[in-house]
Amino acid sequence: SQQGEEDPQALSIQEGENATMNCSYKTSINNLQWYRQNSGRGLVHLILIRSNEREKHSGRLRVTLDTSKKSSSLLITASRAADTASYFCATDGAGGTSYGKLTFGQGTILTVHP
Amino acid sequence: GAGVSQSPRYKVAKRGQDVALRCDPISGHVSLFWYQQALGQGPEFLTYFQNEAQLDKSGLPSDRFFAERPEGSVSTLKIQRTQQEDSAVYLCASNVYRAGDEPQHFGDGTRLSIL
Repeated sequence: SQQGEEDPQALSIQEGENATMNCSYKTSINNLQWYRQNSGRGLVHLILIRSNEREKHSGRLRVTLDTSKKSSSLLITASRAADTASYFCATDGAGGTSYGKLTFGQGTILTVHP
Repeated sequence: GAGVSQSPRYKVAKRGQDVALRCDPISGHVSLFWYQQALGQGPEFLTYFQNEAQLDKSGLPSDRFFAERPEGSVSTLKIQRTQQEDSAVYLCASNVYRAGDEPQHFGDGTRLSIL
């Protein structure tokens, strides 16, 4: 079963604009990860944020985590047409297995128009 | 190879046939995961191997699904007596084992269509 929900399900923006995607989850976590998937391809890891972190940056990506609200957001700044893809959050649950089993959200489809 | 390799990329089978999907992880990666991704959905966990040991198979949907990794490298996911609901993309991922905090490296998947 899916861990939680991603919002919005689809996002369409112009090149140069910022894109924000949100993810909610249900159980305690060790960390939360964001992945990107281009059509017909596998997932590519973007960024990992641990449960004791609140914000993390990587290039044009900014991730926030609010464990009290069980939610995270991914911000892509100055978007490019090449950012067009599906984006998934995934949680590594706490209190259970320690090997990194991931539970994915349903994803946000991002379309960036040139 | 440089990444996780899966074969075949596409598989079409008739209902009731058996299929075998192969995953060749990144060399030296201890952990190997299989996921099932339905159209328009996120991946769902099927099973996990640490070297040759299958430590978690809680996500396998039925006893028709079987996975193995006999020498701790290549893994095979087998589906017996396929059903239409088995149609999905099957993704394999690997990583260097740690207690979490390690990103997973995914292959491009096998798209399985059951007619």
